Amino acid sequence: GAVVSQHPSRVICKSGTSVKIECRSLDFQATTMFWYRQFPKQSLMLMATSNEGSKATYEQGVEKDKFLINHASLTLSTLTVTSAHPEDSSFYICSAQREGGSPLHFGNGTRLTVT
Amino acid sequence: AQSVSQHNHHVILSEAASLELGCNYSYGGTVNLFWYVQYPGQHLQLLLKYFSGDPLVKGIKGFEAEFIKSKFSFNLRKPSVQWSDTAEYFCAVNAHGGGATNKLIFGTGTLLAVQP
Repeated sequence: GAVVSQHPSRVICKSGTSVKIECRSLDFQATTMFWYRQFPKQSLMLMATSNEGSKATYEQGVEKDKFLINHASLTLSTLTVTSAHPEDSSFYICSAQREGGSPLHFGNGTRLTVT
Repeated sequence: AQSVSQHNHHVILSEAASLELGCNYSYGGTVNLFWYVQYPGQHLQLLLKYFSGDPLVKGIKGFEAEFIKSKFSFNLRKPSVQWSDTAEYFCAVNAHGGGATNKLIFGTGTLLAVQP
């Protein structure tokens, strides 16, 4: 159990376009979903925390107008990278949590390449 | 604010050697502690967790970790590693209560390479 599906797994887009990444908890309801970014050979950096039905909480230094997060239901959260630039190229990982303090379950990640 | 540090960035061991990966955190309140593993080409998986109770926790694949509150540490151990343990290991801390926000902060990771 506790499967998190992230889609797409890989996307290439042109500079200036927007890309949407979906994160779904398939067999449980996630009260909280987290979005992380992982640069090569580095750890996961938390970008934002989203709770169903409320606005996401962004970490310091993360532009909320650039990385739009929507958590419309207990099983779906989306991250939209708006007006993408090459420096946004990275590996984005979502995770879902049943309740506060419980372990996170991770999606497989999305490799975004902006050309 | 909570933070996590992993001292070893890259560890190379021979099969059957013992493993200990260090993890220290900074937060004075209540914490939940986790170790995640990322095998090559795969997503992060939970290895073990500590919430409360016995400070020595056992996880999957023979791994264990000991929570030492006085040292703010949660080191990962395995008595005898196998080639299949080659992966990147992340320590993570979730602070809660006392005004802490519910978020999971990761250490920088330790890349373990086990030589056959």
